[in-house]
Amino acid sequence: DVKVTQSSRYLVKRTGEKVFLECVQDMDHENMFWYRQDPGLGLRLIYFSYDVKMKEKGDIPEGYSVSREKKERFSLILESASTNQTSMYLCASRLEGASGSPLHFGNGTRLTVT
Amino acid sequence: AQSVTQLGSHVSVSEGALVLLRCNYSSSVPPYLFWYVQYPNQGLQLLLKYTSAATLVKGINDFEAEFKKSETSFHLTKPSAHMSDAAEYFCAVRGAAGNKLTFGGGTRVLVKP
Repeated sequence: DVKVTQSSRYLVKRTGEKVFLECVQDMDHENMFWYRQDPGLGLRLIYFSYDVKMKEKGDIPEGYSVSREKKERFSLILESASTNQTSMYLCASRLEGASGSPLHFGNGTRLTVT
Repeated sequence: AQSVTQLGSHVSVSEGALVLLRCNYSSSVPPYLFWYVQYPNQGLQLLLKYTSAATLVKGINDFEAEFKKSETSFHLTKPSAHMSDAAEYFCAVRGAAGNKLTFGGGTRVLVKP
């Protein structure tokens, strides 16, 4: 079974802080994703990575950056946290090239910015 | 650009009754379609997926969905609701050539005893 692990379940940060959200997957998946989940809006893609050191902007990248130095790890960085970044953040991974392969999700990190 | 619309942000059903969750999509290419479920305080789990084989797709926990190209729909059903089905359900679409998965807004299901 694929396991996607997000390092924190809950985080509380202050406005202006630099925040790191970490995600690790154990199935050698090429593709990794960061989504944020807000009530009524579903999941919106922030960034994704299709290989080590490769990244691509999703639908809402503003205020975020990412890092993928190793295949199994994909980090989301909030350069200067703001209250409108309070949300649930979900990391996912997927096997590249497999027709219709689904995303495998972590349990999420609920971030509160005060 | 792809988009997904889920009709109804909340659905309430009685235990034992039919569950019907509606999903319509727009995609310029033949899509891959997915239903995910999210239980409280957990990430999303795959329920089922459509990948251009049979139009009626069976998933876990007796859920199934039917792909109707003419209606651009992929509605999710379960014949008899169980209390453990209380969760939020998400429909998602991915184009054949892309990596991105686009999600609908989600439907929260409440099951009444």
